[in-house]
Amino acid sequence: NAGVTQTPKFRVLKTGQSMTLLCAQDMNHEYMYWYRQDPGMGLRLIHYSVGEGTTAKGEVPDGYNVSRLKKQNFLLGLESAAPSQTSVYFCASSYSGGEQFFGPGTRLTVL
Amino acid sequence: AQSVTQLDSQVPVFEEAPVELRCNYSSSVSVYLFWYVQYPNQGLQLLLKYLSGSTLVKGINGFEAEFNKSQTSFHLRKPSVHISDTAEYFCAVSEGWANNLFFGTGTRLTVIP
Repeated sequence: NAGVTQTPKFRVLKTGQSMTLLCAQDMNHEYMYWYRQDPGMGLRLIHYSVGEGTTAKGEVPDGYNVSRLKKQNFLLGLESAAPSQTSVYFCASSYSGGEQFFGPGTRLTVL
Repeated sequence: AQSVTQLDSQVPVFEEAPVELRCNYSSSVSVYLFWYVQYPNQGLQLLLKYLSGSTLVKGINGFEAEFNKSQTSFHLRKPSVHISDTAEYFCAVSEGWANNLFFGTGTRLTVIP
């Protein structure tokens, strides 16, 4: 099992550009999550999904969109990147909530 | 919403010394509690969890934590640390099994040779 994988690992964007981060899990988990990690702030939940075709807002959803068209994939989109979105992004999944399994992260820099 | 406080942002400790990383949460309702570890440039890995039952929970790598409902705390301990324990540690709380996790801001543990 690969667990939770994230693509890409690193990315540099210019302000106003768009991009999509891909998260994939092979554990047949229902729940998937996107977090951002910033120094001194821990992990903050951006969006999450409790099943295929569903999405919901987390603590810091502004500037991001998500889609869960397939159970194993959870996409995070930035339509118009801003420097404030420079961060490390983590995807996680869980069977029914509770314990979450994390991917290795994507380091995004917006210039 | 749940609030999780990790009182120490950085904890330096000498190798083979004991360590305690503190975590307090705000909710008085039933909670599930977790400690995660993050090694440099990696994702988070579960150390241990409290769901119910015994208030003393043992995890991987010799760590343990004690759930104290009256003090709303879930402190992480290890009797003797190793250099390899140098990492960032996150406490997380869920108010129900199907509910989202709330994370603390993390404690960076540095083990000094």
